[in-house]
Amino acid sequence: GAVVSQHPSWVICKSGTSVKIECRSLDFQATTMFWYRQFPKQSLMLMATSNEGSKATYEQGVEKDKFLINHASLTLSTLTVTSAHPEDSSFYICSARDDAGVRNEQFFGPGTRLTVL
Amino acid sequence: GQQLNQSPQSMFIQEGEDVSMNCTSSSIFNTWLWYKQDPGEGPVLLIALYKAGELTSNGRLTAQFGITRKDSFLNISASIPSDVGIYFCAGHGNTGNQFYFGTGTSLTVIP
Repeated sequence: GAVVSQHPSWVICKSGTSVKIECRSLDFQATTMFWYRQFPKQSLMLMATSNEGSKATYEQGVEKDKFLINHASLTLSTLTVTSAHPEDSSFYICSARDDAGVRNEQFFGPGTRLTVL
Repeated sequence: GQQLNQSPQSMFIQEGEDVSMNCTSSSIFNTWLWYKQDPGEGPVLLIALYKAGELTSNGRLTAQFGITRKDSFLNISASIPSDVGIYFCAGHGNTGNQFYFGTGTSLTVIP
């Protein structure tokens, strides 16, 4: 099946630093990837849609200068949390759609736990 | 963005019991997906549905695409401890790439 990886699995950083999270589709190409944020015991909140070769589409209320997204290849999207603060601490999950897939499915990465001190 | 209504919010059941949960939307969808999420991990796709009325099974799990295209159901038969987790539904309409997610159902199975 389609596999999506994320790196790192978890990260602890100091307030004010920037953190980059990678999302890779391992065995398929993905023109479109999605970045979600999830708080404890809550559902997934879509932050942005990452499009290969073009600008990401951000959901209302998500600061594009705060959460930088780069989708430079068909298998890699990155999310950079700039000048992170404690309120940015959360579980970040990416997902990807298989370009060649005949089915309309979305596959998730394992998530990245970010803790900002 | 739109969020789907999923119920129940949580369930506590005895091992061996059957489980039912559902998801409703105000919009018509063409695709319904059901995921399971274990703590600290990403959601894993369980079942995908593409046609109104479709009934699909995956082991002890059975899901149905509602006739109105505004709802979907997931049933788990003879629950076991490893069924514990949060179950999410997700729906996709005619336009765009985005899937809309349900609020989740937290399942606890008591041995």
